[in-house]
Amino acid sequence: DAGVIQSPRHEVTEMGQEVTLRCKPISGHDYLFWYRQTMMRGLELLIYFNNNVPIDDSGMPEDRFSAKMPNASFSTLKIQPSEPRDSAVYFCASSPPTGGPDTQYFGPGTRLTVL
Amino acid sequence: GEDVEQSLFLSVREGDSSVINCTYTDSSSTYLYWYKQEPGAGLQLLTYIFSNMDMKQDQRLTVLLNKKDKHLSLRIADTQTGDSAIYFCAESKSNAGNMLTFGGGTRLMVKP
Repeated sequence: DAGVIQSPRHEVTEMGQEVTLRCKPISGHDYLFWYRQTMMRGLELLIYFNNNVPIDDSGMPEDRFSAKMPNASFSTLKIQPSEPRDSAVYFCASSPPTGGPDTQYFGPGTRLTVL
Repeated sequence: GEDVEQSLFLSVREGDSSVINCTYTDSSSTYLYWYKQEPGAGLQLLTYIFSNMDMKQDQRLTVLLNKKDKHLSLRIADTQTGDSAIYFCAESKSNAGNMLTFGGGTRLMVKP
């Protein structure tokens, strides 16, 4: 398996633009997580899905952020409009069905820079 | 509370042992984990321990769990320069749907 795939790996955009980050989880995993990592705030859970349904979005910073999971193999995190304070590394992770250790497998991340 | 806390930084010499510590507050945690993050990469699972165990060894890694004190540690024997990374501890609970609570990470620097 290729692991969790994220695209793009790097994104540079200007304030006010729409940004879409993409994630393909590991096949057979039914949990998908979006995290944001910054020096100041560390690793923050933004939202997670189970069987394509959002379960907890309490970490989403504000209405400018939205996430979707239209099918089991694809998820997007959208920021509209983007702001400089959104600059961070965004990670997607997936996890197999509950029944043992809740191990999460992380993608390589998307480094977002908003100018 | 659900805070997981770690010290920010640890520096050791190559060949020495490293001990990274973590404290957590939720006694209902079912599993506790150690993840490693190398520069420019995502988090990679190193090892995990079930909450009814007090020790787990895996090659150079030893995990110790003191459930009474809610203290978790990761010992790396014969630390190498390739072990330089950020190490995160994390906890999960049986009713939290695979959600993990991560600590802030400990940056390990290994000097040659």
